[in-house]
Amino acid sequence: NAGVTQTPKFRVLKTGQSMTLLCAQDMNHEYMYWYRQDPGMGLRLIHYSVGEGTTAKGEVPDGYNVSRLKKQNFLLGLESAAPSQTSVYFCASSRGIATSGHNEQFFGPGTRLTVL
Amino acid sequence: RKEVEQDPGPFNVPEGATVAFNCTYSNSASQSFFWYRQDCRKEPKLLMSVYSSGNEDGRFTAQLNRASQYISLLIRDSKLSDSATYLCVVNILDRGSTLGRLYFGRGTQLTVWP
Repeated sequence: NAGVTQTPKFRVLKTGQSMTLLCAQDMNHEYMYWYRQDPGMGLRLIHYSVGEGTTAKGEVPDGYNVSRLKKQNFLLGLESAAPSQTSVYFCASSRGIATSGHNEQFFGPGTRLTVL
Repeated sequence: RKEVEQDPGPFNVPEGATVAFNCTYSNSASQSFFWYRQDCRKEPKLLMSVYSSGNEDGRFTAQLNRASQYISLLIRDSKLSDSATYLCVVNILDRGSTLGRLYFGRGTQLTVWP
């Protein structure tokens, strides 16, 4: 039981390049999330998904796209990378909805992305 | 104004000390509350949920004051292994939706020294 995994762990891009970050979870969770974490700031939600085939915008969605074609996978895409997207990206998943009180989010180990 | 505000620290305390972290949140519609722990260059992990009546888990005690929109975490008998960043997290229900989202404070850094 691996939990939440992310690939790649590290990546360096040049401005304008594109890439996709992959998140996978084996806990059969319905909800998945992409966050970015920057120095001096809390984690900020980029996009999230409440189930296979559905996605929604979070707090800082601009410059990113996502897809959830399979329940266990959540992909984050950068179409044209910019230096402002240099960050640590965390994927997370959770079992239940907020009102149930069971909304512990399990995080992946993160992807460190540098855009030059 | 950020949804969740924390003193970033750092807090540097000796082993065995008691240390307290505070957190305030701005949205009175906040539904549930958590403390997460994040080790250096690692992912956040749930430390404990925070309940209205206050709750304790070993050396850790969490308190919630809804009237003041204030959350606290108390660590007693600090261990070297408690060194980490502690994230205050608030779950806010989106308007017109049953889905809540977590809002993270920027974290309070704790270093416990021998």
